[in-house]
Amino acid sequence: NAGVTQTPKFQVLKTGQSMTLQCAQDMNHEYMSWYRQDPGMGLRLIHYSVGAGITDQGEVPNGYNVSRSTTEDFPLRLLSAAPSQTSVYFCASGYRDSPIYEQYFGPGTRLTVT
Amino acid sequence: AQKVTQAQTEISVVEKEDVTLDCVYETRDTTYYLFWYKQPPSGELVFLIRRNSFDEQNEISGRYSWNFQKSTSSFNFTITASQVVDSAVYFCALSGRNYGQNFVFGPGTRLSVLP
Repeated sequence: NAGVTQTPKFQVLKTGQSMTLQCAQDMNHEYMSWYRQDPGMGLRLIHYSVGAGITDQGEVPNGYNVSRSTTEDFPLRLLSAAPSQTSVYFCASGYRDSPIYEQYFGPGTRLTVT
Repeated sequence: AQKVTQAQTEISVVEKEDVTLDCVYETRDTTYYLFWYKQPPSGELVFLIRRNSFDEQNEISGRYSWNFQKSTSSFNFTITASQVVDSAVYFCALSGRNYGQNFVFGPGTRLSVLP
């Protein structure tokens, strides 16, 4: 198993550009999430999905779109990048280990918006 | 709203010292879950432990131990006989019962263990 993979590892964008951060997992996990990590703030939840076709907003969803057409993939789209979106992005996947869930994190994508 | 506070921004210790990382949380839920994660300099997030709100037993795993006290809403993490490899940022996190529900991370504590 490759676990949770994220591409690219690093990305530099100009303000106003769009891009998609890719996240894939090969563990057949039903749950997937995107977080951003900013200095001194820990990780904050952007969007999450509890299964294919189902997504919901987290704490900081503005400026980001997601979709979940397959169990394996959960891409994060930045429609018009802004410098405030400079951050490290983590994707996670998980399964229910009743009564809670186990969650595994990808290696992260470092995004800089100039 | 849920909140996790890690008041210690940075801690430096000398190798073999014991160190405790503090975590204080706020929640109105009666069922919740607490986690600790380690983020070494390489950047990945490593799961260390989870604890549910109904289990206040302390846990020990090798040099690591955790003290959960509902009365003070704290979930502290102690490393005994610290080693240089323990140098990392440590995050405490709090979650509601359902996936995605109020999963909140603290700001992290950067631990530096000096040789």
